[in-house]
Amino acid sequence: TQLLEQSPQFLSIQEGENLTVYCNSSSVFSSLQWYRQEPGEGPVLLVTVVTGGEVKKLKRLTFQFGDARKDSSLHITAAQPGDTGLYLCAGAHAGGTSYGKLTFGQGTILTVHP
Amino acid sequence: DVKVTQSSRYLVKRTGEKVFLECVQDMDHENMFWYRQDPGLGLRLIYFSYDVKMKEKGDIPEGYSVSREKKERFSLILESASTNQTSMYLCASLTTSRYEQYFGPGTRLTVT
Repeated sequence: TQLLEQSPQFLSIQEGENLTVYCNSSSVFSSLQWYRQEPGEGPVLLVTVVTGGEVKKLKRLTFQFGDARKDSSLHITAAQPGDTGLYLCAGAHAGGTSYGKLTFGQGTILTVHP
Repeated sequence: DVKVTQSSRYLVKRTGEKVFLECVQDMDHENMFWYRQDPGLGLRLIYFSYDVKMKEKGDIPEGYSVSREKKERFSLILESASTNQTSMYLCASLTTSRYEQYFGPGTRLTVT
C-alpha cells in the first residue's frame, strides 16, 4: 500500500504568520500535486512538481519536491484569512497500470485568524 | 481551462433508492475518477475509467457501479442507497501529460 503522510492535520494561526505543511512517503512519485479545497467545493489544483529538488512559487506559497521525489512541502509566508482551507497533497505514479491514480495525503485543515 | 461539472450539488435520497450521479468533462480526457470524501478518512477512490466502456475498481467499490458510454461522461450509480453512503462525492478528470486531476465541485449526498 502506498501511503502519503501529511502533517500537521490541523493548523490554526494568526494572520501574518508563516507555516509549512509536509507530505512524506516511502514511495517514489513521478509527480506530486498540491490542492486547496474550500468547504462544499471540490479540490482545486495549485501546483504540480515533477523534478527532484524542484521549487515552485505561487505568490506567497512555495512548493518543494524532495530530491528523491518521496516528499514535498508547502510553505506559506505571511498567511492571510483567505488562505483558510483544506490543503491536500497527492502523488502520481506514471505509466503501467496506474492509469493516473493519485495517492492522497489526509489533508491539512488551515485556519488563519484575522 | 478544464471544466468538470457534476449534475447536482446537493442530493437527498431515501434508503433503498437507486441514485445516479453524473459527471461531465470538456477536455477530451480519457481517464476519469469517482471519489468519496469523509471527515478523517480523506479522499477514497471508488471507481475509475481509462476509456469509454472501460472501468476499474478503486479502493471502495462495494455498493457502487459506474457507466462510461461517452468519453466526456462518467456516471456513478448507487444501486440501493444506504445511510453509510451519505458523503461528499467528487468526480475528477485526468490530463496524462502531467498526471494532474481536475475535480468537479462535488455532490453532497444525504441518504435518510
